Amino acid sequence: DQQVKQNSPSLSVQEGRISILNCDYTNSMFDYFLWYKKYPAEGPTFLISISSIKDKNEDGRFTVFLNKSAKHLSLHIVPSQPGDSAVYFCAARDSGNTPLVFGKGTRLSVIA
Amino acid sequence: DTGVSQDPRHKITKRGQNVTFRCDPISEHNRLYWYRQTLGQGPEFLTYFQNEAQLEKSRLLSDRFSAERPKGSFSTLEIQRTEQGDSAMYLCASSLPRTGNLQTNGYTFGSGTRLTVV
Repeated sequence: DQQVKQNSPSLSVQEGRISILNCDYTNSMFDYFLWYKKYPAEGPTFLISISSIKDKNEDGRFTVFLNKSAKHLSLHIVPSQPGDSAVYFCAARDSGNTPLVFGKGTRLSVIA
Repeated sequence: DTGVSQDPRHKITKRGQNVTFRCDPISEHNRLYWYRQTLGQGPEFLTYFQNEAQLEKSRLLSDRFSAERPKGSFSTLEIQRTEQGDSAMYLCASSLPRTGNLQTNGYTFGSGTRLTVV
């Protein structure tokens, strides 16, 4: 059973426009959500996170929105830049010590 | 400290051979995780340690897999009698324990070891 779902395997956006990456989860015990970015031949790197006590967290060009009732979160990148082209993973965990659970990822291509 | 180091970066082995990977975490991180990533999938949890204690193992970790963290510092992941289905990127990550509701930056990952079983 997939607890974290990223239903769009890929997304293509023009440089300067907004990129919106979506993530759904099924486990209502999840209370902390993270986005990771991964370039080829490298490990994932942390991008931004949000606690379930918030509905929005912003860091520069990156904003994560959380809708707990819908069990949905999204990552907004604006403006998108060619260097943002990578695979983005959504991850989640509960309040205990369980390890992070990852989605399958969305490959973002930002076209100049 | 330059982050999480994994060695080797690439490993090609014949089916049936044993392989061992090493991970050196960030020194002040007492938690260490092993994940596996195959094409088109996200990282899948294998096992994790707090200090030298192995606290959880995924059902993905068959009895051909064994992980150790003998002194609570570096860790090794061994795969015995490798199969073609073991071909994947093996990722190691480290972190501090989660404390209350403090936001953390999650895990710091290494660059991974890409295993190809031929």
